[in-house]
Amino acid sequence: DSGVTQTPKHLITATGQRVTLRCSPRSGDLSVYWYQQSLDQGLQFLIHYYNGEERAKGNILERFSAQQFPDLHSELNLSSLELGDSALYFCASSVATSSGGTGELFFGEGSRLTVL
Amino acid sequence: AQKVTQAQTEISVVEKEDVTLDCVYETRDTTYYLFWYKQPPSGELVFLIRRNSFDEQNEISGRYSWNFQKSTSSFNFTITASQVVDSAVYFCALRSNYQLIWGAGTKLIIKP
Repeated sequence: DSGVTQTPKHLITATGQRVTLRCSPRSGDLSVYWYQQSLDQGLQFLIHYYNGEERAKGNILERFSAQQFPDLHSELNLSSLELGDSALYFCASSVATSSGGTGELFFGEGSRLTVL
Repeated sequence: AQKVTQAQTEISVVEKEDVTLDCVYETRDTTYYLFWYKQPPSGELVFLIRRNSFDEQNEISGRYSWNFQKSTSSFNFTITASQVVDSAVYFCALRSNYQLIWGAGTKLIIKP
């Protein structure tokens, strides 16, 4: 158990809909990262938050948004869903500082999104 | 530019064989960190090891060992006496210049 909690574990929805994925980082970790992993693909970095502030953006679509709340949990919002958004979405947390630091990432079990 | 290359897309071996997963990285920074992660078929990503650029000592953890060589910019991972439970996708990653760069992963199949 990595200590990172993601909900829901599985989600099936239809095209055009909107979903919210939730992540609780490990106790004490200020950094939260979101990754997308499509079928048989590598990890695509979406976004990094540190202590409530956005620190880095990757290949995140405009239809996607995220935020980190004062209690450090984070949410990833996916809207106007398309078939191609079907993927495993990971949240990870780290003790890394705002500048990146040295810390390894600890991943949640992922949220598997299926768009029909 | 930072880059991580895992040239082996897929490796298949018979149980009890030794297997080495290659990881080659590129960075101009003198301080950086290297990681290995395991993703079993169940999907979760499991942290295996972190190594910083100033520590070239090899590390052994049970059947797992890691060989870090700055001269060749490599951080290879060897599984000794492989087992079916080692079947997974293994990712190498580099943290450098405030970025975390991932390799494409190597799918390891251990046949009974």
